[in-house]
Amino acid sequence: AQTVTQSQPEMSVQEAETVTLSCTYDTSESDYYLFWYKQPPSRQMILVIRQEAYKQQNATENRFSVNFQKAAKSFSLKISDSQLGDAAMYFCAYRSAMATNKLIFGTGTLLAVQP
Amino acid sequence: KAGVTQTPRYLIKTRGQQVTLSCSPISGHRSVSWYQQTPGQGLQFLFEYFSETQRNKGNFPGRFSGRQFSNSRSEMNVSTLELGDSALYLCASEQGVGTEAFFGQGTRLTVV
Repeated sequence: AQTVTQSQPEMSVQEAETVTLSCTYDTSESDYYLFWYKQPPSRQMILVIRQEAYKQQNATENRFSVNFQKAAKSFSLKISDSQLGDAAMYFCAYRSAMATNKLIFGTGTLLAVQP
Repeated sequence: KAGVTQTPRYLIKTRGQQVTLSCSPISGHRSVSWYQQTPGQGLQFLFEYFSETQRNKGNFPGRFSGRQFSNSRSEMNVSTLELGDSALYLCASEQGVGTEAFFGQGTRLTVV
């Protein structure tokens, strides 16, 4: 069975600074997807960034980028130029590429942004 | 384009009762998945429906059931409610398989 681990329950960053959230996962599959989701106080999960395992290039979406290390089964999220609106719970998630939409989530990292 | 709509947003039920939660996916989306979110267990997958067929089920007791209608709207039902069923229930809608999941705002269920 696949598992996702986020070892940082809470993180804090100063506005305009850079922060990195960690995520490791375990799977025996070779083809899969990895995601970072943001859950603000409104509770609605919002997709931040997505990475296909077969792609070696790290995904980037504006101020958000990932460091995907397939051999190490590591998938960290870097947030550059942090903004107050980035404060939220961040979840790392895994999805098999085997015809399913089931997401396996980590326990989350609560990010605080200090002005 | 309207987003994923979950109703009701809040619900209070008594132990032993049953409850039905509803999820209306984005127009054109055929896949609906349900998740339970609690402080202790985190986000756990309940079930996944695609074109009215349940394709995947999480490790939950038989008291948890669901279905999907021909218009892709989905309902989940919990019978004989227990205190531990208190949670935020999230629904995710997708166009197909392996596409982007769009989440609703959830239904907060409190069992007293």
